[in-house]
Amino acid sequence: DIQMTQSPSSLSASVGDRVTITCRASQGIRNDLDWYQQKPGKAPKRLISAASSLQSGVPSRFSGSGSGTEFTLTISSLQPEDFATYYCLQHNNYPYTFGQGTKLDFK
Amino acid sequence: QVQVQQWGAGLLKPSETLSLTCTVYGGSFRGYYWTWIRQPPGKGLEWIGEVNYSGINNYNPSLKSRVTMSVDTSKNQFSLKLTSVTAADTAVYFCARGIAGVWGQGTLVTVSS
Repeated sequence: DIQMTQSPSSLSASVGDRVTITCRASQGIRNDLDWYQQKPGKAPKRLISAASSLQSGVPSRFSGSGSGTEFTLTISSLQPEDFATYYCLQHNNYPYTFGQGTKLDFK
Repeated sequence: QVQVQQWGAGLLKPSETLSLTCTVYGGSFRGYYWTWIRQPPGKGLEWIGEVNYSGINNYNPSLKSRVTMSVDTSKNQFSLKLTSVTAADTAVYFCARGIAGVWGQGTLVTVSS
């Protein structure tokens, strides 16, 4: 299985901060990586597909980059509604695997 | 706009079979893989597997011996069965379209004697 190592596991930040979350794959996965946001009690919501394609309706403060084994999700200016848990998902190889998650909370 | 609605039993005893179904509304059923994902309480997400409209599936090897996924194209439905459940299978189970694009609301399945 491809291991997805996500860092940090938790992050405290303030409204207006720029934050970056990283996922590293145990082997190359091209750009077959998506990013999800999950709020308590809700299903995850896909923010970015194919490493860098913003989903329709997702604010432009979210961006993704990377290819191969290293990927980043950046939020350029945190808003109150962005405090949530974020996951990456690789879909290059079966079984698809998620990162362990990054919980983003108020500093 | 596509919606995926799921239902199934939420409380099981050890050794019973988990059975969940999702119905797809407002979009094409064919042409997609339909995915199951689970999340134990307070933990991360685990991909269980996927099935397409013709019944071709891919399962997570960690669950493969106990998992069956099926489709009913006449009803735009797809289903998950997981046999011989234990407490370790307690989780919120989600269904989704494709590589987890559109998600169902989730069903908490608790395994307890």
